[in-house]
Amino acid sequence: DGGITQSPKYLFRKEGQNVTLSCEQNLNHDAMYWYRQDPGQGLRLIYYSQIVNDFQKGDIAEGYSVSREKKESFPLTVTSAQKNPTAFYLCASSEPGTQYFGPGTRLTVL
Amino acid sequence: AQSVTQLDSQVPVFEEAPVELRCNYSSSVSVYLFWYVQYPNQGLQLLLKYLSGSTLVKGINGFEAEFNKSQTSFHLRKPSVHISDTAEYFCAVRENNAGNMLTFGGGTRLMVKP
Repeated sequence: DGGITQSPKYLFRKEGQNVTLSCEQNLNHDAMYWYRQDPGQGLRLIYYSQIVNDFQKGDIAEGYSVSREKKESFPLTVTSAQKNPTAFYLCASSEPGTQYFGPGTRLTVL
Repeated sequence: AQSVTQLDSQVPVFEEAPVELRCNYSSSVSVYLFWYVQYPNQGLQLLLKYLSGSTLVKGINGFEAEFNKSQTSFHLRKPSVHISDTAEYFCAVRENNAGNMLTFGGGTRLMVKP
């Protein structure tokens, strides 16, 4: 069954902690993306990767980091430098022309 | 730079009534257009897309959209909505020189009432 998986579905973080959100895809897509969604707002691009071992900053990369060591995986780390990390995080991958999304991870800072 | 405007943040409608969700974009180059739906606490699901060909595009769940190049619009329509259509709808645009990068509108919350 092909698709994009994100884990965990819910994540709680204490202030000052780094946390890593997982994104895996078995669609054989080259490109992957991370978006942040805040209540009542659209999607904002955090990082994207067009190919393994390469990634670029999006519009709101400060306080986040990524890696792309495997084609299937694009984990996102939310660092303690991110001042307001509570949000819904969406991962996507794309075939030429179209992006497809995972189910999302809701991160809450306690 | 391109931008996407969804003119209505919320659209209330009664069940079985028709609905139109509006989307306008600005771009200096040719574009490809998408509509996604998001149910509560879920990811985005592709409803339909316009890449080329007929300007009237049919998607899943009975939705359709029409690309109007002169008005730079891509409005989403459904002739008769169901309670289950209650969700957030996002319009997105990709410029033909931007790889796979999308610009999203702010979203429209469709609220179907019995």
